[in-house]
Amino acid sequence: TQLLEQSPQFLSIQEGENLTVYCNSSSVFSSLQWYRQEPGEGPVLLVTVVTGGEVKKLKRLTFQFGDARKDSSLHITAAQPGDTGLYLCAGVDGNTGKLIFGQGTTLQVKP
Amino acid sequence: DAMVIQNPRYQVTQFGKPVTLSCSQTLNHNVMYWYQQKSSQAPKLLFHYYDKDFNNEADTPDNFQSRRPNTSFCFLDIRSPGLGDAAMYLCATSRGEVGRQPQHFGDGTRLSIL
Repeated sequence: TQLLEQSPQFLSIQEGENLTVYCNSSSVFSSLQWYRQEPGEGPVLLVTVVTGGEVKKLKRLTFQFGDARKDSSLHITAAQPGDTGLYLCAGVDGNTGKLIFGQGTTLQVKP
Repeated sequence: DAMVIQNPRYQVTQFGKPVTLSCSQTLNHNVMYWYQQKSSQAPKLLFHYYDKDFNNEADTPDNFQSRRPNTSFCFLDIRSPGLGDAAMYLCATSRGEVGRQPQHFGDGTRLSIL
């Protein structure tokens, strides 16, 4: 069974600080997706990374896919209260196509 | 806008009383998924339809069933809800082969059990 370990589980920081969320696995994924979910809403796709070593930027968010396609990170620069939410990484199982979700990181950014 | 719509947003039912949650999509996607999500946890896949083909996850309780009468609609039936079934239920869609394209999620139905 493929597992995706996401850390940290909870993060509370002040506005303007930087943070990094990690997703690690012993399994290789065909691609990896990052979602953000606000309370009472469904997850919204932020980015999909496909190629080992790939780096994608979305404004203050930087996503990286590990060279071996087993791990990924999300770095947020100068966090803002609007970044508050649940961040989920999800690897795509190359055999079944199903999403393997990490446990999620609940981020709180205080003004 | 094309989207995934879940109704109702909030559902309250009694212990043991059957309940049906609905999902509709205007994306014309051929794959539809149902997930269960408990507070601050990752979504857990219950089952999915690839076109008309139903695919149940091995650990999905028999209490949970699904129907997909056409491309646009999919229903989640909980035959005898227990207290442990209180959760957010998310519907998602994707096109093409399972996993080849990103999933689009609805805003979920929050189910409470009295």
